[in-house]
Amino acid sequence: AQSVAQPEDQVNVAEGNPLTVKCTYSVSGNPYLFWYVQYPNRGLQFLLKYITGDNLVKGSYGFEAEFNKSQTSFHLKKPSALVSDSALYFCAVRDLDTGRRALTFGSGTRLQVQP
Amino acid sequence: EAQVTQNPRYLITVTGKKLTVTCSQNMNHEYMSWYRQDPGLGLRQIYYSMNVEVTDKGDVPEGYKVSRKEKRNFPLILESPSPNQTSLYFCASTAGQGASGYTFGSGTRLTVV
Repeated sequence: AQSVAQPEDQVNVAEGNPLTVKCTYSVSGNPYLFWYVQYPNRGLQFLLKYITGDNLVKGSYGFEAEFNKSQTSFHLKKPSALVSDSALYFCAVRDLDTGRRALTFGSGTRLQVQP
Repeated sequence: EAQVTQNPRYLITVTGKKLTVTCSQNMNHEYMSWYRQDPGLGLRQIYYSMNVEVTDKGDVPEGYKVSRKEKRNFPLILESPSPNQTSLYFCASTAGQGASGYTFGSGTRLTVV
């Protein structure tokens, strides 16, 4: 079975500082990994994905994530946080060895960027 | 514009009154899925469909039904809603194996009283 852990319910960071939102996963085969962001009263917006290739993935709004196979991690990062980055962030994984194509989500991490 | 459209956005209903939440996508995606989002639990898959007339249970299917008569539509049916189905629901779709990403609808906030 596939699973995702986001160990922090909330991350607080000052505007202009770098931010990291942590994600670790468990799959039996090769993973597809995704980050989504949810703003209040909005749906899920795609940020970035890792499918194959370069371990450092760049996405929307200046976000990036590094795929680390040995540590089974896919942490989301941004060099300089903005107040407008404050939102709920979800990491998700799809195990390529299963036929369901289901995404398994972490429980979410609320990012609060203080001015 | 490529999108997944859900209706309604908000719904308040009473226990036991049948309801349907509609989902439609305009990207010709084979795969469609329903999720519910609850605080502290992330999103959990309710049902999914690989293609027309092919549906299967996800992780939390109890109390829900789906149908896939056309490729673009994937309605979620609650035949006898209960208060524990109060949640935020998302429909999603993708093409192929999902490498292109999953597109989500804007969500339906359902309250069952």
